Amino acid sequence: DAVMTQSPLSLSVTLGQPASISCRSSQSLVYSDGYTYLTWFHQRPGQSPRRLIYKVSSRDSGVPDRFSGSGSGTDFTLKISRVEAEDVGVYYCMQNTHWPRTFGQGTKVEIK
Amino acid sequence: QVKLVESGGGVVQPGGSLRLSCAASGFTFRSYAMNWVRQAPGKGLEWVAVTSEDGGWQNYAQSVRGRFTIYRDNSYSTLSLQMNRLRLDDTAVYYCVRDWSVELWGQGTLVTVSS
Repeated sequence: DAVMTQSPLSLSVTLGQPASISCRSSQSLVYSDGYTYLTWFHQRPGQSPRRLIYKVSSRDSGVPDRFSGSGSGTDFTLKISRVEAEDVGVYYCMQNTHWPRTFGQGTKVEIK
Repeated sequence: QVKLVESGGGVVQPGGSLRLSCAASGFTFRSYAMNWVRQAPGKGLEWVAVTSEDGGWQNYAQSVRGRFTIYRDNSYSTLSLQMNRLRLDDTAVYYCVRDWSVELWGQGTLVTVSS
């Protein structure tokens, strides 16, 4: 299985400051079609996860442009350019290149 | 409005069975693969199973293979998960999730396995 490792596991950020979360895979996430299927989700307390980013860097409709995804192969990053209060919660990366699909452990973001 | 609504959760004893359902609306259900993903209380996310658009192909996490069965009824836009031989570590919120790209999540239904 592709093991997904996120860091840090928790992050305390001042409002308006940037934040960055790393996600590393134990296997390359490049699929045979040339695409890399690395996805980011955000889960607010008491809510279902919401997809933010797919195929490494494509933002979902309605996702603010302060969120960006980057990376290649096995190393990926989610960046929030200026953290807002609504960004609190847990962020998960997930690979949907290999079976079984696997998630990172999650990174809890709170406001300092 | 695009919607996924899970139901069927509850309390069940170890070794028991339960069937979850997911009612889809607001989109052409038969055009999308569908997944189940679960989250144990206070824990992270675990992918459970997927079925193809026509229901002809399925795949499962090793932890549920042979005990859980995912199936769908495209005539009624419904996804189901039959869970047999339930274990304590199957306790979780179970989410119905649309598409290979895992794009749209339902609100979840809680399954508690307890004696």
